[in-house]
Amino acid sequence: DQQVKQNSPSLSVQEGRISILNCDYTNSMFDYFLWYKKYPAEGPTFLISISSIKDKNEDGRFTVFLNKSAKHLSLHIVPSQPGDSAVYFCAASAREKLTFGTGTRLTIIP
Amino acid sequence: DAGITQSPRHKVTETGTPVTLRCHQTENHRYMYWYRQDPGHGLRLIHYSYGVKDTDKGEVSDGYSVSRSKTEDFLLTLESATSSQTSVYFCAISEEGFYGYTFGSGTRLTVV
Repeated sequence: DQQVKQNSPSLSVQEGRISILNCDYTNSMFDYFLWYKKYPAEGPTFLISISSIKDKNEDGRFTVFLNKSAKHLSLHIVPSQPGDSAVYFCAASAREKLTFGTGTRLTIIP
Repeated sequence: DAGITQSPRHKVTETGTPVTLRCHQTENHRYMYWYRQDPGHGLRLIHYSYGVKDTDKGEVSDGYSVSRSKTEDFLLTLESATSSQTSVYFCAISEEGFYGYTFGSGTRLTVV
């Protein structure tokens, strides 16, 4: 039972355009949501997060939106840069543990 | 910037043999986690620890055991390795437990 779902395994975006990565969850007990970025042969690194009491959080080129009624969050990257090419995992927290999605491979086309 | 190291980085082992992976941290964080990453499954929690000698199971704990006798070390043992345990294993640490995870670089384990 996948509680956190990323339905797009891959996404290709032109450099300079907006990248939108989506994530859905089913557990209403999740109260904190995060995005991690992963390059090959490295561990995931934290990118941005949002508390369930907010609907938007922005950090530079990265913005995360949370729609609790739809149990949906999204990550917007604008403008997209070649260094953004990586696998992106969304994660949701309930108590002491993070539950991760299956990941979306983002490729930025120069 | 380490703060968390995993060893070994790569290992090939035979089916039926026991294997132990080590995670070492220098951050004095309370929480430590073991995840495995597989294509189509993302990162799945195997076991985690919320203090010395305090551990709990994750969603894919069958066939794995853990031990934490010191704050800085969290060991993951495959009691009798199977081919289905071929994976990349990541250790993570956290001070708060619900965010701010820092991951190690991973251990690629191949069971033949």
